[in-house]
Amino acid sequence: DAGVIQSPRHEVTEMGQEVTLRCKPISGHDYLFWYRQTMMRGLELLIYFNNNVPIDDSGMPEDRFSAKMPNASFSTLKIQPSEPRDSAVYFCASSLRLVSHEQYFGPGTRLTVT
Amino acid sequence: GENVEQHPSTLSVQEGDSAVIKCTYSDSASNYFPWYKQELGKGPQLIIDIRSNVGEKKDQRIAVTLNKTAKHFSLHITETQPEDSAVYFCAASIRQGSNYQLIWGAGTKLIIKP
Repeated sequence: DAGVIQSPRHEVTEMGQEVTLRCKPISGHDYLFWYRQTMMRGLELLIYFNNNVPIDDSGMPEDRFSAKMPNASFSTLKIQPSEPRDSAVYFCASSLRLVSHEQYFGPGTRLTVT
Repeated sequence: GENVEQHPSTLSVQEGDSAVIKCTYSDSASNYFPWYKQELGKGPQLIIDIRSNVGEKKDQRIAVTLNKTAKHFSLHITETQPEDSAVYFCAASIRQGSNYQLIWGAGTKLIIKP
């Protein structure tokens, strides 16, 4: 398997623009996680899905953020409108089970909002 | 809320020496404690984990110890090598209602000096 695939790897956009990050999890994994990593706040869980259904979105910072998983092989994280404070590295990860199982991380998307 | 504290934030050791990273957690019900290694430009990768019914686990040069009474766990790397240079994250499982998730430490940047 190619591992978790994320696109784009880098995204530079202007404040107010819509940003869409994409993720393809490892085939057969039931859980998909979206994380945000910054120097100030470290690694934060934004939302996770089980079998394409959002289970816990309590980490989503505000209504400008939304995530979808239309099928088992694709998920998106959308920010609309984007703000400079959204600049971070966004990781997608997938796992066979929720707890006590390895989370496989993608390479991340580095987002810069100017 | 529940949290995981990780120390030190930066650790510099001579090649060949040992490195120890420590974490404390607040939720006494936590029962799964993974350690992830993040190399520059990549996503975190699981290197070792331990469950609450075990006090110590080893994998070649890496070991993890768990003290449930004191609610702390540590990562030990012996005979450090240049490729051990990375950021290391500890995490602890917590239960929030019917949901489980990992709470992550802030990370330790390990520098191996040649």
